[in-house]
Amino acid sequence: DAKTTQPPSMDCAEGRAANLPCNHSTISGNEYVYWYRQIHSQGPQYIIHGLKNNETNEMASLIITEDRKSSTLILPHATLRDTAVYYCIVRPRNNNDMRFGAGTRLTVKP
Amino acid sequence: GAVVSQHPSRVICKSGTSVKIECRSLDFQATTMFWYRQFPKKSLMLMATSNEGSKATYEQGVEKDKFLINHASLTLSTLTVTSAHPEDSSFYICSASTSSKYDNEQFFGPGTRLTVL
Repeated sequence: DAKTTQPPSMDCAEGRAANLPCNHSTISGNEYVYWYRQIHSQGPQYIIHGLKNNETNEMASLIITEDRKSSTLILPHATLRDTAVYYCIVRPRNNNDMRFGAGTRLTVKP
Repeated sequence: GAVVSQHPSRVICKSGTSVKIECRSLDFQATTMFWYRQFPKKSLMLMATSNEGSKATYEQGVEKDKFLINHASLTLSTLTVTSAHPEDSSFYICSASTSSKYDNEQFFGPGTRLTVL
């Protein structure tokens, strides 16, 4: 019952920017957009989250469209270690429930 | 940042035995803990949500008598897979959240790989 749609897989060249899209056309006004990633056989790792403004941290940038129906996670300089499954999740900030969709399998190639 | 640990990281057991998996929040008090299951090449599936000192809330289709969850303290939750069978072989992941410092963010453990022979 994930509320997001992501491409199943993407490739990116090492050193280039990786742009991962996510559609969340039914997002509600109180729902945030969260991004996690999961490297093989590890637990998910938090990347970034936002409500409506663009956000940036040491890992990535999050661009949310003005109508909030889609967003893009940007890894500015992808490395081989960024190869993982990336999950886009929407949920209210005061709701603990985190439900995962299928995610995007990003493969960074040399 | 907040750290969540799981023990054991890997366990192999015989069919019919019970297995206990521990989830600990190491540097914060977790008001809520979650248990997920992940089959190969699939996404994480929420199994249950537990609040300290109260009974866990199970997702539809998850047998509460088979997957026993105990959240006895603000830093420890356990998942016991009772009478395990080969189809219970999976990657079990816990997460913890707190409403205080981290404002309901969820922090995930490294996972436990269960193999039932």
